[in-house]
Amino acid sequence: GAVVSQHPSRVICKSGTSVKIECRSLDFQATTMFWYRQFPKQSLMLMATSNEGSKATYEQGVEKDKFLINHASLTLSTLTVTSAHPEDSSFYICSARDYRGPPEQFFGPGTRLTVL
Amino acid sequence: DQQVKQNSPSLSVQEGRISILNCDYTNSMFDYFLWYKKYPAEGPTFLISISSIKDKNEDGRFTVFLNKSAKHLSLHIVPSQPGDSAVYFCAASVNFGNEKLTFGTGTRLTIIP
Repeated sequence: GAVVSQHPSRVICKSGTSVKIECRSLDFQATTMFWYRQFPKQSLMLMATSNEGSKATYEQGVEKDKFLINHASLTLSTLTVTSAHPEDSSFYICSARDYRGPPEQFFGPGTRLTVL
Repeated sequence: DQQVKQNSPSLSVQEGRISILNCDYTNSMFDYFLWYKKYPAEGPTFLISISSIKDKNEDGRFTVFLNKSAKHLSLHIVPSQPGDSAVYFCAASVNFGNEKLTFGTGTRLTIIP
């Protein structure tokens, strides 16, 4: 149980384009999903927290107009990187939890974004 | 401001021996702690957690110890196996895990056959 999937696993795009990353909880209802970013050899940096049906809460320093998060259902959240630039290249990971269950977050496999 | 610290970036342990990974935190409001294991280019995998009302939690080969007065926790893996080679992150939360996680910087564990 507690499986989280992400799609795509890797994406290469041109500078200025937008990229959408999907995060799905496959066997539980994710009342809350989290989006992280990881730079090489660094820790996971929380970007935003999204609760189903409401606006995401962004961490300080994260541009909400650049990183659009939608959590329209209990099993799907999307992160859209708008007008991507090379500095947005990174490893993006989502996690999910069900507030009715244990407090552990379960992570997706991550998406490697490369912006040319 | 790094509220969760893993001061050892790497650790090598002989197969079969005990691996001890350490984590320190500064925020006394943290009351729930977790350990995750991560392979390259994959998402972290949950290993074990502990609430501040306990000082030890055990699950198979994994045991987590919490010393609240020292603001220190450790993960013991015994016996260590080659498949344990990965990066280990500790994480902390308030409100017994019902809030966001703050991650440490990770320790790369290498098990030597």
